[in-house]
Amino acid sequence: DTGVSQNPRHKITKRGQNVTFRCDPISEHNRLYWYRQTLGQGPEFLTYFQNEAQLEKSRLLSDRFSAERPKGSFSTLEIQRTEQGDSAMYLCASSSPQGEDWARGRRTFYEQYFGPGTRLTVT
Amino acid sequence: AQSVAQPEDQVNVAEGNPLTVKCTYSVSGNPYLFWYVQYPNRGLQFLLKYITGDNLVKGSYGFEAEFNKSQTSFHLKKPSALVSDSALYFCAVRGFIQGGKLIFGQGTELSVKP
Repeated sequence: DTGVSQNPRHKITKRGQNVTFRCDPISEHNRLYWYRQTLGQGPEFLTYFQNEAQLEKSRLLSDRFSAERPKGSFSTLEIQRTEQGDSAMYLCASSSPQGEDWARGRRTFYEQYFGPGTRLTVT
Repeated sequence: AQSVAQPEDQVNVAEGNPLTVKCTYSVSGNPYLFWYVQYPNRGLQFLLKYITGDNLVKGSYGFEAEFNKSQTSFHLKKPSALVSDSALYFCAVRGFIQGGKLIFGQGTELSVKP
């Protein structure tokens, strides 16, 4: 189990530049999530995919943000025309799909496993 | 709307003493609750979850949490704290209707002194 990986780990960019982050989920996980975390706050949901389908996008995800997961494996998050307010830690997580735990006769939800994050600094 | 509150920004405990990190939630329908821990410059690590069943949930590293529906709480506990438990702890809720996303609290910094 290699875990969730994210690249780059750190990115410093000038305001107005475009940046792209990559997330590689745990191989058998078909759900992939993006969150943003600023200093002193908990992670905030941005978007998530089930396989290649983007199922939900937060209102935090402005038109400058776009996420893709073209083959249902890795995902990219692109920020166009970066602003200083975009400075944050961008976290990726993956999980197995929700499902029934028939052995116990009840529904279960699988936890999300997080990568180490990409820290973006916009100067 | 779903929300999670962690009323304490910081909790200080002496090593060997029991610790409690508080969490209350607000969600429509059945709550699905999680605790994560974050060490400096690291991603979040899963500790435990409550989906259904027993109100006392046991997790990693000796942590446990008690689900209390009437008080809408899900406090994290450990009988004997270790210095290595010092970290940032996040409570999160997942609503079934709202899909897979987690809503996190603002976090509680736990400091365990020798």
